[in-house]
Amino acid sequence: GAGVSQSPRYKVAKRGQDVALRCDPISGHVSLFWYQQALGQGPEFLTYFQNEAQLDKSGLPSDRFFAERPEGSVSTLKIQRTQQEDSAVYLCASGTGPGNTIYFGEGSWLTVV
Amino acid sequence: GESVGLHLPTLSVQEGDNSIINCAYSNSASDYFIWYKQESGKGPQFIIDIRSNMDKRQGQRVTVLLNKTVKHLSLQIAATQPGDSAVYFCAENTSSTGRRALTFGSGTRLQVQP
Repeated sequence: GAGVSQSPRYKVAKRGQDVALRCDPISGHVSLFWYQQALGQGPEFLTYFQNEAQLDKSGLPSDRFFAERPEGSVSTLKIQRTQQEDSAVYLCASGTGPGNTIYFGEGSWLTVV
Repeated sequence: GESVGLHLPTLSVQEGDNSIINCAYSNSASDYFIWYKQESGKGPQFIIDIRSNMDKRQGQRVTVLLNKTVKHLSLQIAATQPGDSAVYFCAENTSSTGRRALTFGSGTRLQVQP
C-alpha cells in the first residue's frame, strides 16, 4: 500500500519567504508527527497530532513554525519568514495510534538562501 | 562515541560478517525502543522495536538486545549485505509521560565492504 507522501521533495526559499510543506499520511492513520533533521543529525521532534487535534507542539522552535491537520488526514507545516537556520529535512510520520509503530515519509528538503 | 555534525561514528564491516551497532540512552524511565535505518536521501525506515519488559527480540536477520541496567541497546545484523549500508538510529519513548514523541540518538553509519 501507499506510504507517507510528502511534497515538495525539494524546496529552495529565499530568506524571509514563507513556505508550506505537505504531508499525506498512510490512510486511516490517527497519529501524525513532524520532525526536523539537520544534516548529519538524528530527527528532532516538532509536533504531534492525534486526528485533527494538535496534542503536542513543544518541539516547534519558534512562533514562525505552524502546523495544522484540519480534517485529521493531510497535514501542512508552515514556516514563516524563513531563516538560514531553518534549512533541514522536514520529515512526516504517521501511525495507527498512540504507542504503535510510526512510519516516515521521504522528507521535504528545505534550503534557505 | 557521540557524533558532531557530519562526523557520525562509522562501523565498517565485510560483507557476510555480523554487525553490532550500539546505542546508549539516558532516561531510565524509557520503555519503548526502536531501530531505524536511513539511506541517503530517504526517510527513516522501521527495522525492529522492543519494549522494556523484554531484553531480546529477533526479526529477519536482525536482533535487538536491551540492557536496562546499563541503559544500553544494541542492533545485531547477521550476514551483513551491501544493501545494509546506511545510517542507523535508535529512538526511545517514555509512555508514562503520555508524550508520544520519539527521541532519536545521533546515529551510526554502517559501511559494508564487498
